[in-house]
Amino acid sequence: AQKITQTQPGMFVQEKEAVTLDCTYDTSDQSYGLFWYKQPSSGEMIFLIYQGSYDEQNATEGRYSLNFQKARKSANLVISASQLGDSAMYFCAMRDPWGGTSYDKVIFGPGTSLSVIP
Amino acid sequence: EAGVAQSPRYKIIEKRQSVAFWCNPISGHATLYWYQQILGQGPKLLIQFQNNGVVDDSQLPKDRFSAERLKGVDSTLKIQPAKLEDSAVYLCASSLVSGTGNIQYFGAGTRLSVL
Repeated sequence: AQKITQTQPGMFVQEKEAVTLDCTYDTSDQSYGLFWYKQPSSGEMIFLIYQGSYDEQNATEGRYSLNFQKARKSANLVISASQLGDSAMYFCAMRDPWGGTSYDKVIFGPGTSLSVIP
Repeated sequence: EAGVAQSPRYKIIEKRQSVAFWCNPISGHATLYWYQQILGQGPKLLIQFQNNGVVDDSQLPKDRFSAERLKGVDSTLKIQPAKLEDSAVYLCASSLVSGTGNIQYFGAGTRLSVL
């Protein structure tokens, strides 16, 4: 069964430093996608970055980059130059196609709480 | 572009009462999702609609939960009767279509407390 693991329940980082949030996944499918979402205390899930399993280059979006290591089944999020507003829960998610149908299912990991220290 | 709208933001009810949540997706988005997020966990998919048809409701407790998406736009999620373990945030999301790479956009959620 598909599964997402985030082993860091909580992380601290100094403002302006870089931080890496870990994510490992398990799937037997060859075609899948990986997402990272941010959830501040207000509750809304905010899309950050996406990586397709066939994408050869690591995805980047501004200060966010995804360190995708397919053989190790990991998709770590790197946040450069942390800001106070980055303090939030971060969720790794995987999109798996359903048995050849055009529909797919997204499963989420348990999340990592990031606190940025001034 | 307006985002996903949800209401109410907060709801407090007693067990065995009923409650309904409303979601208006981003205009033009064919796929709509309802998730349940229990405190300290990631969201869990309850039901997925493609236009006004149900694609997946395998994790929806159908003895007490129901959802509809009339005319393929707005959606309501109902719980009747509510149990203590239903206390959670209920998130609605939408995407243009379903498929690899398609991004889900979320609303702010409804925080439900069942006493």
